[in-house]
Amino acid sequence: SYELTQPPSVSVSPGQTASITCSGDKLGDKYACWYQQKPGQSPVLVIYQNNRRPSGIPERFSGSNSGNTATLTISGTQTMDEADYYCQAWDSSTVVFGGGTKLTVL
Amino acid sequence: EVQLVESGGGSVQPGRSLRLSCAASGFTFDDYAMHWVRQAPGKGLEWVSGINWNSDYIGYADSVKGRFTISRDNAKNSLYLYMNSLRPEDTALYYCAKGGGSSLASYNWFDPWGQGTLVTVSS
Repeated sequence: SYELTQPPSVSVSPGQTASITCSGDKLGDKYACWYQQKPGQSPVLVIYQNNRRPSGIPERFSGSNSGNTATLTISGTQTMDEADYYCQAWDSSTVVFGGGTKLTVL
Repeated sequence: EVQLVESGGGSVQPGRSLRLSCAASGFTFDDYAMHWVRQAPGKGLEWVSGINWNSDYIGYADSVKGRFTISRDNAKNSLYLYMNSLRPEDTALYYCAKGGGSSLASYNWFDPWGQGTLVTVSS
């Protein structure tokens, strides 16, 4: 079965750029999405179709997808961005999520 | 405003059944595919099942295939998940999520998500 691999944790200082990767076989041939989940809350879509941002999501969130890796980039990271982030893609008519990355802003 | 409100969760013994419901409002329900995604306590997200706008196309995760059945009633703006032969590993918060389009297509996404309903399977 298809797998998406994310680092368990990423740390970043406020105001700096955070990059969270998601790896999968030929992931660049698929569409990648990213979700943000804060403690006790439901996931929120932050990037869809590799690099499109839903309305209401700050411009500091961006995405890319090429080769075997999709990347979520948060520029000028704020303390409010501290959360778990999950990548997601489709494979053979089923949905796959990455294991999640805990972003710490300190 | 789009709203998704799940219900039907609870505590059940292994082998028993449960039906989850998701009441949708704030959008044209039969224009969109709908999905169930679950999250075990302290764990990541796992897609469970999805259904296209007119129920012609349905997908299941291997972990629930043959035990769970997804359905929808467009007249009632409602999504359902019938869960049979429940196992302890099915214990999770079950989210209802709106698809990004009408089909179960590879370019689609989940937005928004409901608040979830908790299912606990234990003897």
